[in-house]
Amino acid sequence: DAEITQSPRHKITETGRQVTLACHQTWNHNNMFWYRQDLGHGLRLIHYSYGVQDTNKGEVSDGYSVSRSNTEDLPLTLESAASSQTSVYFCASSMTRDSGETQYFGPGTRLLVL
Amino acid sequence: GEDVEQSLFLSVREGDSSVINCTYTDSSSTYLYWYKQEPGAGLQLLTYIFSNMDMKQDQRLTVLLNKKDKHLSLRIADTQTGDSAIYFCADDSGYALNFGKGTSLLVTP
Repeated sequence: DAEITQSPRHKITETGRQVTLACHQTWNHNNMFWYRQDLGHGLRLIHYSYGVQDTNKGEVSDGYSVSRSNTEDLPLTLESAASSQTSVYFCASSMTRDSGETQYFGPGTRLLVL
Repeated sequence: GEDVEQSLFLSVREGDSSVINCTYTDSSSTYLYWYKQEPGAGLQLLTYIFSNMDMKQDQRLTVLLNKKDKHLSLRIADTQTGDSAIYFCADDSGYALNFGKGTSLLVTP
């Protein structure tokens, strides 16, 4: 069955370290998204991609970067981790840009920055 | 994105109906969505409604849309303990979904 996976599921790191969170989908979807979920803020969009070599900034992109070298993967990199980036990170994908197109979510990565 | 607002908590007894409310501000949204998040899991699409509809029913779920007031509601009939979760309302801002903060639904026996 097609799916979307994230790794690691849990991560503890130290302030200043570079961290990469993986997202892999086997739906063959063109669109991929990264969100962070924080208490009191709901889900906020970090970056998104409409296809290979396409990346775009979302609402809270500072301190994060993504690259899209193939259809299946959109890794999220924290260049220099900060305590404010402690959060739960969700990756999602969808086939087209059309409204009504379901976004499928991964199980999430819990990141703790000490 | 523009704001999507939801109440944060709702508690109901098993067997009662639950109504979760949402207001949005982006009048250009074509679709409005309800997602469900169970503990420790990602979000799953529960249902959605096209903006030119005012009601959609899907088994125990009823979505009502008042486009004039930009108000969306999700009614769950005969609420079960398995319905305990966080429910997110979302509109489509054109390039991505714009989520509310989520409503935590607690169903008590």
